[in-house]
Amino acid sequence: DAAVTQKPRYLIKMKGQEAEMKCIPEKGHTAVFWYQQKQSKELKFLIYFQNQQPLDQIDMVKERFSAVCPSSSLCSLGIRTCEAEDSALYLCSSSRGDQDTQYFGPGTRLLVL
Amino acid sequence: GEQVEQLPSSLIVQEGASVLINCSYTDSASVYFPWYKQEPGKRLQFIIDIRSNMERKQNQRLTLLFDKKTKHLSLHITATQPGDSAIYFCSANMNTGGLSGKLTFGEGTQVTVIS
Repeated sequence: DAAVTQKPRYLIKMKGQEAEMKCIPEKGHTAVFWYQQKQSKELKFLIYFQNQQPLDQIDMVKERFSAVCPSSSLCSLGIRTCEAEDSALYLCSSSRGDQDTQYFGPGTRLLVL
Repeated sequence: GEQVEQLPSSLIVQEGASVLINCSYTDSASVYFPWYKQEPGKRLQFIIDIRSNMERKQNQRLTLLFDKKTKHLSLHITATQPGDSAIYFCSANMNTGGLSGKLTFGEGTQVTVIS
């Protein structure tokens, strides 16, 4: 199976601008996750999709992010209004089920100026 | 919610020596514990996992021990090589009946193998 793909690899936005990043999960994987990682520290869970439906997300995502999986082969994560604190590596992962091994993409590194 | 603590935060080891990374979690509902390795510029790589019905799992030079009673895991890497230099992350996944498969991560352990 093809590895998880993420685009773009790098994204630079000004404060207040909108940002969008995409993820192509591994073929056959029905669970998709987004995580945020700052300065190579622990990954912070953002949102979880199962069969393209969002089942779990943190408050920050509900308030300022937009995330969809319009098809089993494409998901996107957007930030409506970028803030400096959003500068981070955004990682997408996918798995066959909610308690199966998650495989990660290379990430999108967002810098907000 | 679940919290995962990982120690040490960093360590330096001579090539060929062994490494021990400790991890503890707080929520007894956690049932699945995958570990990942992150090298600079590379994607997070799955290296080994264990489920709560097991006590030990080995994958080549990696041995993962799990103590359900104390909510503690330890990853042992033997015969280290320069390619083992990376940040290692412990994570925990709770059984939520399918409502969420999110992983809660520890802060990572930076392992540096010197020749």
